[in-house]
Amino acid sequence: EAGVTQFPSHSVIEKGQTVTLRCDPISGHDNLYWYRRVMGKEIKFLLHFVKESKQDESGMPNNRFLAERTGGTYSTLKVQPAELEDSGVYFCASSQESQVLYGYTFGSGTRLTVV
Amino acid sequence: AQSVAQPEDQVNVAEGNPLTVKCTYSVSGNPYLFWYVQYPNRGLQFLLKYITGDNLVKGSYGFEAEFNKSQTSFHLKKPSALVSDSALYFCAVRAPNTGRRALTFGSGTRLQVQP
Repeated sequence: EAGVTQFPSHSVIEKGQTVTLRCDPISGHDNLYWYRRVMGKEIKFLLHFVKESKQDESGMPNNRFLAERTGGTYSTLKVQPAELEDSGVYFCASSQESQVLYGYTFGSGTRLTVV
Repeated sequence: AQSVAQPEDQVNVAEGNPLTVKCTYSVSGNPYLFWYVQYPNRGLQFLLKYITGDNLVKGSYGFEAEFNKSQTSFHLKKPSALVSDSALYFCAVRAPNTGRRALTFGSGTRLQVQP
């Protein structure tokens, strides 16, 4: 089966611009998660979708970040306007409801650099 | 709040020697514990998990980890390191019975295996 796909793989934008990251989960996975790792620090949870609904968005840093999951399929994470501290690697993961105890399948990540 | 500590930024080991990557955690209740590995330009790959049962769990690529409740540790081990094991390793914890699926990660440990 195809894995979790994220694009772009890299993005370099200027401060104040807008960037949209996309994640395509494994087909049939209702659960979709966004995480990010900022400059050598721990990977931090951002939010969790179950189908198209936001189940937990406690990790979203501020209102410059907007996540959507249209029709419960792919998800987008928009940063508007981007700030320097938003630089990092953004990971997406997905899981089936019946297999949440078996870990999540992560994508390769999007490396975002804000200059 | 739950947390994970990986006290070593980097671990160096010679090929063929045993390796240990340390992880301690803090969580209310019995934890779900995970190890993930990230190879260069790749996503996070699931290595192994502890949910319940035997304290010694075996995972992919010959890795194993021992859950020690009294020491709140979940160290990753391998009897004989390979150069190809060189990668970034992340420990993660999830608190069950909270209704939240979010994983809390450590800051990662870079394993360097020298030929």
